[in-house]
Amino acid sequence: SQKIEQNSEALNIQEGKTATLTCNYTNYSPAYLQWYRQDPGRGPVFLLLIRENEKEKRKERLKVTFDTTLKQSLFHITASQPADSATYLCAHGSSNTGKLIFGQGTTLQVKP
Amino acid sequence: EAQVTQNPRYLITVTGKKLTVTCSQNMNHEYMSWYRQDPGLGLRQIYYSMNVEVTDKGDVPEGYKVSRKEKRNFPLILESPSPNQTSLYFCASSLSKGLAGEQYFGPGTRLTVT
Repeated sequence: SQKIEQNSEALNIQEGKTATLTCNYTNYSPAYLQWYRQDPGRGPVFLLLIRENEKEKRKERLKVTFDTTLKQSLFHITASQPADSATYLCAHGSSNTGKLIFGQGTTLQVKP
Repeated sequence: EAQVTQNPRYLITVTGKKLTVTCSQNMNHEYMSWYRQDPGLGLRQIYYSMNVEVTDKGDVPEGYKVSRKEKRNFPLILESPSPNQTSLYFCASSLSKGLAGEQYFGPGTRLTVT
C-alpha cells in the first residue's frame, strides 16, 4: 500500500541554523507532495507544493526538494527562528482521485 | 474572511448517541474532506467530496457518514459513536478537485466518546 513516512523523532536545532526535515515514500510515485505546518491544537496550514517534474521550490526562507530516484522530499528552513517551532507534515495526493495521505509529521524545536 | 468553520469545537458524548459535526467553507471550494488525527497515527482521511452530491471513502471511513447537499457544507455524521472514535477531527476544503490543491483546514473538533 502507499506509504509516506517522516521522522517521528523531534528535531532540535539552534536559532539561526538550517532545519532539514525528511519525507520518504514507498510503493508508489506521487505526482506531487505538499508540506504543511501545524501548531498544537490547530489545523494544518499549507506551506509549499512540489511536483514530480520540479527538483526544487522556494518560498522566502523555505525550500523543498523532490528526488524521485531516492523517493524522498526534503524540507529546509534557513535562518531558523523560535517562531518556526511546530510540527511539519508532508502529504501526497492521488493524481486522479481526491485521496490525500499524510505523514505522521516531524516536530521541530528551535532554541534561542 | 476566507475560512473553514467547524461546530462544535469540543464535544463529549456517550456511546451510541448519534451526533453531527458541521463543516462550512465560504471560499466556493469544490473539494472538501474530513480527517481524524490521533497520537502516533497522524492525520487520516475519513471521507472526501469532489463536488455536490459526490462523496467517496478515504482511508478510515468505517463508522462515519457524510453528505454534500450544498457546495459550502460537508457535515460528518456518527450514527452510533464508539470510544475508538474519540479523536481530533479536521475538515478541509480546496479550490482544486483534490488534484494538488492547497488544503484549507478548519480549527478542529475534539470529540470524546465515553
